[in-house]
Amino acid sequence: KQEVTQIPAALSVPEGENLVLNCSFTDSAIYNLQWFRQDPGKGLTSLLLIQSSQREQTSGRLNASLDKSSGRSTLYIAASQPGDSATYLCAVRRDGNKLVFGAGTILRVKS
Amino acid sequence: GAGVSQTPSNKVTEKGKYVELRCDPISGHTALYWYRQSLGQGPEFLIYFQGTGAADDSGLPNDRFFAVRPEGSVSTLKIQRTERGDSAVYLCASSYGQGSGYTFGSGTRLTVV
Repeated sequence: KQEVTQIPAALSVPEGENLVLNCSFTDSAIYNLQWFRQDPGKGLTSLLLIQSSQREQTSGRLNASLDKSSGRSTLYIAASQPGDSATYLCAVRRDGNKLVFGAGTILRVKS
Repeated sequence: GAGVSQTPSNKVTEKGKYVELRCDPISGHTALYWYRQSLGQGPEFLIYFQGTGAADDSGLPNDRFFAVRPEGSVSTLKIQRTERGDSAVYLCASSYGQGSGYTFGSGTRLTVV
């Protein structure tokens, strides 16, 4: 059974700091991995999608890497801003079409 | 539509009542998914539709839960004899199909009192 773990569970940083969120998964036979952002009381916003054949994806200040063999992904956020405060969720997709999510990292960027 | 639309955004119901939650996916997306998110947890898979048929309903917790997508577009998640443990945010997502990313709706917050 696929399990996804996200570390840390919560993170508080000052504005401007670069930070890394970690995601690990137990079954490396994944189809793709997706990072989402969730604001309080809201749905999920897709940030980055990495196919299993890819090593990383970048969008603006965000960079996500994937090491399938070791079962790890990292989300790097450069020059963090208060508006980045949210819960960040990692999800992996194996065969079929269901995503398996981690519990998320709650990020707070202090101004 | 421009995004995935879910209605209602909030629903409070009494224990034992029947509820229906609606999802209107992005136009042209053939795949539709329902997830449930409890407080402090990531979403958990409930059911997946490809077109009109439920391709995978392995995440439905018991036979009180049922979902339909009769015309391959809008889907309704139906919960009978609601229990307090059903309280959660129910999220709907759609995609073009395997390999493409998901787009999620804002969810329906269900509270059973």
